[in-house]
Amino acid sequence: EIVMTQSPATLSVSPGERATLSCRASQSVSSNLAWYQQKPGQAPRLLIYGASTRATGIPARFSGSGSGTEFTLAISSLQSEDFAVYYCQQYNNWGTFGQGTKVEIK
Amino acid sequence: QVQLVESGGGVVQPGRSLRLSCAAAGFTFSSYAMHWVRQAPGKGLEWVAVTSYDGSNKYYTDSVKGRFTISRDNSKNTVYVQMNSLRAEDTAVYYCARGRPAMVTYLDYWGQGTLVTVSS
Repeated sequence: EIVMTQSPATLSVSPGERATLSCRASQSVSSNLAWYQQKPGQAPRLLIYGASTRATGIPARFSGSGSGTEFTLAISSLQSEDFAVYYCQQYNNWGTFGQGTKVEIK
Repeated sequence: QVQLVESGGGVVQPGRSLRLSCAAAGFTFSSYAMHWVRQAPGKGLEWVAVTSYDGSNKYYTDSVKGRFTISRDNSKNTVYVQMNSLRAEDTAVYYCARGRPAMVTYLDYWGQGTLVTVSS
């Protein structure tokens, strides 16, 4: 099983600042990596697939990069609605999720 | 627009069974693989099972193999998961999610989830 490790567990950021989240795979997943956002009491929402392609309706302030085993999700200027938990998922070999990074208001 | 609505959750005793349903609308259901993903209280996401677009192929995470069965009825635009021999560690919100035509893929639409509590 491919293990996905996200860091940090919690990221404290001020509104308007940039946030950078990391996701590492235990073996190469090529570019088969997605990012999801989840707010309390809500279902996850797809943000990024193919490591760098924004899903429909996702603002340009969200960007993804990386390939192989190292991936990054960047949020260029945090808005109030961006404070949430973010999960990465590899889908190169079935689908395993990282444990999540909580982005909180500093 | 794409809609996925889960139902069937509730409180069940350990060892008993439960069947969850997910009704789909707004897309050609028979063209997409469908997944179940769960989230234990306060925890992260765990992929559970997937069925191919036509139901001919199914795969499960190891912890539910032999206990859970995913199925679909394309005439009713509905995907199911039959959960037998339930354990306390199966307690979670269960989400259905749309994949792509391929089985191994990202999940672009999710339902609102249904809570399953396994407790005596």
